[in-house]
Amino acid sequence: EAAVTQSPRSKVAVTGGKVTLSCHQTNNHDYMYWYRQDTGHGLRLIHYSYVADSTEKGDIPDGYKASRPSQENFSLILELASLSQTAVYFCASRDREGTEVFFGKGTRLTVV
Amino acid sequence: AQKVTQTQTSISVVEKTTVTMDCVYETRDSSYFLFWYKQTASGEIVFLIRQDSYKKENATVGHYSLNFQKPKSSIGLIITATQIEDSAVYFCAMREGGNNYAQGLTFGLGTRVSVFP
Repeated sequence: EAAVTQSPRSKVAVTGGKVTLSCHQTNNHDYMYWYRQDTGHGLRLIHYSYVADSTEKGDIPDGYKASRPSQENFSLILELASLSQTAVYFCASRDREGTEVFFGKGTRLTVV
Repeated sequence: AQKVTQTQTSISVVEKTTVTMDCVYETRDSSYFLFWYKQTASGEIVFLIRQDSYKKENATVGHYSLNFQKPKSSIGLIITATQIEDSAVYFCAMREGGNNYAQGLTFGLGTRVSVFP
């Protein structure tokens, strides 16, 4: 069974602070993604990566950075957290064929 | 730009009946992929079923099936013999073909399905 593990599962951050959300996949997938979900809304793509050491901007990249140090790991970085970044963040991975995207269980981030 | 629209915010059904959810999409690509995902009460997102734009046959997996109407840019999800555990939020999503093979999915806002005894 493919696995995408996110840490932490929940976090409270202070406005202006730095936040790093981590994602680890054991699927041997090339592609990894970070999505954001706001209450009552669908998922929106923040950043993605198709190979280690390279990241691409998604639909809503402002205020976020991403890092892909290895095929297995993909991090989302909020350098200066803001109240508007309170949301649930999902990491996902898929292989080149793209038959299925596997999601992590999500990280609930609350910025106060 | 691609867009996915789910107009039904919530649907309530009685257990063991059939529920149908609508989804319309917009894309300029001639090749694209359509997906349905389920988000459970715990927040877990699970892949259900997929339809490739070049396939005329409607996809079916277990008690999930699709109603793909390409001329109408519509991809409906049908769940037959519903069970209590089918209560969840269902998301329609799309990925364009094109040259960016790594691009992510575009999601609709979701339809909440409640199944009652």
